[in-house]
Amino acid sequence: GEDVEQSLFLSVREGDSSVINCTYTDSSSTYLYWYKQEPGAGLQLLTYIFSNMDMKQDQRLTVLLNKKDKHLSLRIADTQTGDSAIYFCAEMGGGSYIPTFGRGTSLIVHP
Amino acid sequence: NAGVMQNPRHLVRRRGQEARLRCSPMKGHSHVYWYRQLPEEGLKFMVYLQKENIIDESGMPKERFSAEFPKEGPSILRIQQVVRGDSAAYFCASSTGDRLMNTEAFFGQGTRLTVV
Repeated sequence: GEDVEQSLFLSVREGDSSVINCTYTDSSSTYLYWYKQEPGAGLQLLTYIFSNMDMKQDQRLTVLLNKKDKHLSLRIADTQTGDSAIYFCAEMGGGSYIPTFGRGTSLIVHP
Repeated sequence: NAGVMQNPRHLVRRRGQEARLRCSPMKGHSHVYWYRQLPEEGLKFMVYLQKENIIDESGMPKERFSAEFPKEGPSILRIQQVVRGDSAAYFCASSTGDRLMNTEAFFGQGTRLTVV
């Protein structure tokens, strides 16, 4: 079946850029998403990208998609302590209405 | 407009008891999705419902688990005869249409079930 892989942990210094990576296997993926989960909370949709796009920028967030390699990344510029959370990558394939999530990357921001 | 409301936030059950998890979608949303998050794991899809209909339950365990979304009232995820392996966070999401993310789905804060 379809699979979404992420590294489990990322540690960065406050003010640096963070890059969270994700790979997926479904070549028919149409939508790719990044969600943020703060401790004890639900998931918040941060951004999404269509498969016919290479890049999307939204303030401090930049999403890059390499469809050939099935690789998605989320770059957070000027990372702040408030960015500490778990970030989930998700994909939804053509014709499907149910997204598949990765295991999440715990981002730890230290002073 | 309140967001997706799930209750209870925390639920403790003894092995063999029943757990009932409730989800009230956002106002105007008629599509509800249930996900389970096991410790150290990602979100696993369980079931997708519209009012009075189960559309896709391919992620639901075949036994002990059931879900409903009646015409009136919240969606209910019911787990009978709970076992320790059912301990997890259960999240509900709602949307206006059947392309979950394309219609800006919203997640609730989850119900954390602990089976003792």
